[in-house]
Amino acid sequence: AQSVTQLGSHVSVSEGALVLLRCNYSSSVPPYLFWYVQYPNQGLQLLLKYTSAATLVKGINGFEAEFKKSETSFHLTKPSAHMSDAAEYFCAVSTSGSARQLTFGSGTQLTVLP
Amino acid sequence: DGGITQSPKYLFRKEGQNVTLSCEQNLNHDAMYWYRQDPGQGLRLIYYSQIVNDFQKGDIAEGYSVSREKKESFPLTVTSAQKNPTAFYLCASRTGRNYGYTFGSGTRLTVV
Repeated sequence: AQSVTQLGSHVSVSEGALVLLRCNYSSSVPPYLFWYVQYPNQGLQLLLKYTSAATLVKGINGFEAEFKKSETSFHLTKPSAHMSDAAEYFCAVSTSGSARQLTFGSGTQLTVLP
Repeated sequence: DGGITQSPKYLFRKEGQNVTLSCEQNLNHDAMYWYRQDPGQGLRLIYYSQIVNDFQKGDIAEGYSVSREKKESFPLTVTSAQKNPTAFYLCASRTGRNYGYTFGSGTRLTVV
């Protein structure tokens, strides 16, 4: 079984400050990990994914995440927050089973303060 | 441009009614999925289909039904047996060559 825990359902940062959204996973086999962003009343957009290549993954909009097996973590960071980053962020895990289903965390709402 | 189209964007259902949410993709993806999203609960899997004419229940299939008669289409019916259907419904698809999903823009269903 696989699961994802996102620490902090709401995170607030000032514009220009570091963004850090936390994600820990549980998987009995090597995982594939994803971060998605969702704007109000829209679908989810893929920010980045880890699929067992480089442990530091760069995504769109200046985001990156580092896979740390020893900590079972895949935290999302961005050096400098922009007002347009305000959205809900979801971490997800998939394994290489035949269905390759994604299991999502409960989400983190990011607020960017002027 | 390729993508997933969900319709309608907003849907209102009366008590005891069945309603069908449409999901169409032109990405030539094999697998398609339906998720339900409620505030603070993330996304929960309702049904998924890996090939035409085959589908499997997800974690919360009760009160829902699907069909997969064509590769491009995966409609979801919310039946009267679903006691709390008010939610945001997301359809997704995936090619066999990578593990990421492409999502539609969602349908917001409200019981009136």
